[in-house]
Formats: sequence, structure tokens, C-alpha cells
Amino acid sequence: AQKITQTQPGMFVQEKEAVTLDCTYDTSDPSYGLFWYKQPSSGEMIFLIYQGSYDQQNATEGRYSLNFQKARKSANLVISASQLGDSAMYFCAMRGPTSGTYKYIFGTGTRLKVLA
Amino acid sequence: EADIYQTPRYLVIGTGKKITLECSQTMGHDKMYWYQQDPGMELHLIHYSYGVNSTEKGDLSSESTVSRIRTEHFPLTLESARPSHTSQYLCASGLGGRGGYTFGSGTRLTVV
Repeated sequence: AQKITQTQPGMFVQEKEAVTLDCTYDTSDPSYGLFWYKQPSSGEMIFLIYQGSYDQQNATEGRYSLNFQKARKSANLVISASQLGDSAMYFCAMRGPTSGTYKYIFGTGTRLKVLA
Repeated sequence: EADIYQTPRYLVIGTGKKITLECSQTMGHDKMYWYQQDPGMELHLIHYSYGVNSTEKGDLSSESTVSRIRTEHFPLTLESARPSHTSQYLCASGLGGRGGYTFGSGTRLTVV
């Protein structure tokens, strides 16, 4: 079975500092995709970054980077230079053949609070 | 520049009423999804569609039904609302592959 685990229910970070949000996954599929989404208090889900299981390099998108350690089955999100607007829930998700190629499995989320 | 629209944004309705939550997208995506989410909790897939006239139940059992008569439209219907249906409902669409899905702003449903 596939599973996403986010062990940090809540995190605090000082403005302008970097923060790492943890995500571990479990799958027996050789090919899969890992995603991070941001959910502000307004409720919409915003796609942040994608990492493919065969990608040789860690994904980066602006201030977001994904620390992908395939052997450890971890896909941690790193946010650099945190801003007050980064305060939100963050969800890690996976898609792969076992779950149905086009269906996500989501983690339970991490609530990030950026302090001024 | 939202390309996926959900209406209504908020809905308070009495028990036993029939409701339809609307979801439309203008991106031509063949894959569409409905998720249910309690506040601050994980998302649960309740319905999905990979194209016109194709609908499937998701991982979380739901008393709702969906239809996909047109590519751009994926409404969700509750025939008889109950307080246990109180939740946020998020619609999403996408092409698959490396891209993430686009989510609507959600409908926050309260059944009293």
C-alpha cells in the first residue's frame, strides 16, 4: 500500500529564515511522483513543486526546493527566506500506479507559522 | 486568473435538502476530482473522472453523486444533506504527468 507521512503537525519559523517540512513516503512502485501543496487559511490548494522518482536532481521552484532522498523515501520541502505570507498548511502528496496513476495520496499536513 | 471555479463558496443548508456543488474548468483538462476536507485535516478523494461519461468513486465512501456530461463541468450532488456532510469540498483538475493539479477555492458546506 502507498502512504505519505508528515510527522510535524505544526512548525514555527522566524521571518527570513529557512525551514524544512518533513515528508516520508512508502511505495513499491518504481515510478511515482511527489508533490507539495500550500493551503492558506482561505482554503484553496496551491501547487508548489514536483519531484519525479527518476529525476536525477532535486527540484527547485523559486524559494522552494525539494530535498529528495530516494533510498530513505523522504521528500522534504525546504522554504528559504521565509515570509509572513508563507504561513499556511503544507501537504505532501504522491501519485503512482498503485494508487491509480492520476490519483493523489495526501499526507496529514504541517501547519507553518512564520513569526515577524 | 483562476481557471477552475467552484460555487457556492459558502453554503448553509437544512437537513434533508438536496444540494448541488458546481465545479467548472476552462483548461480542457480531462481529469477532474472531488475531495472532502475537514478543517485543518487531510484531503480525502470522494469522486473522480477521467473524461466525459466516466466517473468513479474515490477512497472515502460518500453519499454524494457526480456526473460528467461535459469536459468542463463536474458537479457534485447530495440528495439529502445531513449534518455529517458538513465539510469543505474541493474540486481539482489536471492533465497528469509532471504538473500539479489546479484546485478550486472550495465550497464550505454547513448542514444544520
